[in-house]
Amino acid sequence: GIQVEQSPPDLILQEGANSTLRCNFSDSVNNLQWFHQNPWGQLINLFYIPSGTKQNGRLSATTVATERYSLLYISSSQTTDSGVYFCAVELMDSNYQLIWGAGTKLIIKP
Amino acid sequence: DTEVTQTPKHLVMGMTNKKSLKCEQHMGHRAMYWYKQKAKKPPELMFVYSYEKLSINESVPSRFSPECPNSSLLNLHLHALQPEDSALYLCASSWLATDTQYFGPGTRLTVL
Repeated sequence: GIQVEQSPPDLILQEGANSTLRCNFSDSVNNLQWFHQNPWGQLINLFYIPSGTKQNGRLSATTVATERYSLLYISSSQTTDSGVYFCAVELMDSNYQLIWGAGTKLIIKP
Repeated sequence: DTEVTQTPKHLVMGMTNKKSLKCEQHMGHRAMYWYKQKAKKPPELMFVYSYEKLSINESVPSRFSPECPNSSLLNLHLHALQPEDSALYLCASSWLATDTQYFGPGTRLTVL
């Protein structure tokens, strides 16, 4: 089956730093979503990005579907950015199931 | 309004109990989901209701049973659970089954 790999697994940064999180997937996909899970468990959808580039404030994402990867950029990190970032892909003919990566745990220190 | 609500927030139950988790959305979404999440793992899909049709992850045991009374509500009935079923249970919804998913805050379930 499809493999979804995220890197790095863990990242510790000082407030104000920039970071890039990567998601590689091993097969063609219908769509890709990025999520942030805060330390209390709430999952927030950041981007729905099957291809191209999108920006939302300090966050942006780029998916290159032909090369099977997506990048999430976080600029000027804040402590509230801490948590786990997941990417999830939907396969073609998948019966709606998202395949999730293992996540990147981000800690922003004040 | 992009809110999905879940009740209760926390639940402790014995292995012989019957309980239900509730999920509600008022965004007019046509697809709703139940996920199970263990600590330090990504969510695992349990059930999907889309266009009033249920899709099941075949690995989910029968002690979990979903119910969709209407397009805004999704329940998860629990019966004779095991301690390994302790986890965070997340509900989500989307406009269509392939669209952006919006998650509720989850129910933290402990089975004693």
